[in-house]
Formats: sequence, C-alpha cells, structure tokens
Amino acid sequence: EDQVTQSPEALRLQEGESSSLNCSYTVSGLRGLFWYRQDPGKGPEFLFTLYSAGEEKEKERLKATLTKKESFLHITAPKPEDSATYLCAVEGFQKLVFGTGTRLLVSP
Amino acid sequence: GAVVSQHPSWVICKSGTSVKIECRSLDFQATTMFWYRQFPKQSLMLMATSNEGSKATYEQGVEKDKFLINHASLTLSTLTVTSAHPEDSSFYICSTHRGFRGNEQFFGPGTRLTVL
Repeated sequence: EDQVTQSPEALRLQEGESSSLNCSYTVSGLRGLFWYRQDPGKGPEFLFTLYSAGEEKEKERLKATLTKKESFLHITAPKPEDSATYLCAVEGFQKLVFGTGTRLLVSP
Repeated sequence: GAVVSQHPSWVICKSGTSVKIECRSLDFQATTMFWYRQFPKQSLMLMATSNEGSKATYEQGVEKDKFLINHASLTLSTLTVTSAHPEDSSFYICSTHRGFRGNEQFFGPGTRLTVL
C-alpha cells in the first residue's frame, strides 16, 4: 500500500530562518511526487511535481528535491506569508496519496 | 494550472437532509474529476473518481448510495450527500488533473459541510 509520512508535524520559524520539511514515501511505481500549499479553509494550491530521483525544482523561496525514498521542501529566508500547511502526495496507480502535512508558522 | 470552482463554499444543514456540491472546471474540459474529503488536521482522502458520461469509481469504504456523483458534462461534476448525518460534517474538495504529463491535480477551494 502506498504511504506518505511527513515531518515535522508542525514547525515554527523566525522570519529569515531557513529550514527543510521532509516527506518520506513508499509507492509501487512512482508516477510523480507533488507538493502543495494549503491555507486554512481553502483547497490545496499546486507548487511542484517531481518525477525522478535527483530532480530539483525552485519557486521563489521554495526548493523541492527528490530521492528514491524521500523528498525535501527547503524554505530559504521565509516570510510570514509563507505560513501554511505544506502537503506532500505521491501518485502510484492512478491515485494520489497524501501525507498529513507540515504546519508551518513563520513569525515576524 | 487549471482553474476549478466549487459551490457552495459552505453549507449548514439538518440531519437527514441531502446536500449537493458543484465542482466546475473553468478553463478546460475535464473528462475526469476527483472528490476528496478532509477532516480537521487530517490528510485528504480520495472518495471517488468522477468520469464524464459514465459511473463514478468509489474508493473502498465509501458508500456509493450515500455519496452520489454525477459528471454530466465536461465542465461540471456534482457530489450529493444523501441523508446527511453529523459524522458527514467535513471539508469536501474536488480536483481535476492536467499538466505536463497530465497527472498534476488542481484543486477547488473546497466546501465546508456542517450537519446539525
């Protein structure tokens, strides 16, 4: 059974304090690993797709990387507006399986 | 990415009544849409896959007679929660997929259902 585990469950950072979120996964036949941002009471917002080990993608202060067993979402010099829950998901056979997310709070 | 809307954004209903939630793909034709449910501080769980012009495919443990899905056009899928009970209170989110390889999912804003 496909599984996704995210850590930490919650993370509190000071503005400008860089850190990384972890997503460990097991999947039979990875068709893609996805990162989403979800604000309270809203649907997930697409950030990145990674398809193969070694792949990296960047968007503003966010950078996602992928290995055969895990993915990291690196946040460089975060700002308060980066506060949200970050979700990781993997696609195996035509189905997205989500982790429970990391709740990030960035204080000014 | 794709633009997906949902209506209503929130609904409160009495136990035993039925509630319909609409999901629209605004900028392209979606042959497949997905319905998820999310309980507080929990992961998104796929309920069913909605296919235009055919029956929906339900995940194990999801009652197809309770959660009726209709995908009558390429831009609209509906989820009807029949005879709703307080335990059905949740955040319901739809999505459609497109992207470079056609498997990136884009989500609607969600519908908060509260059953009294």
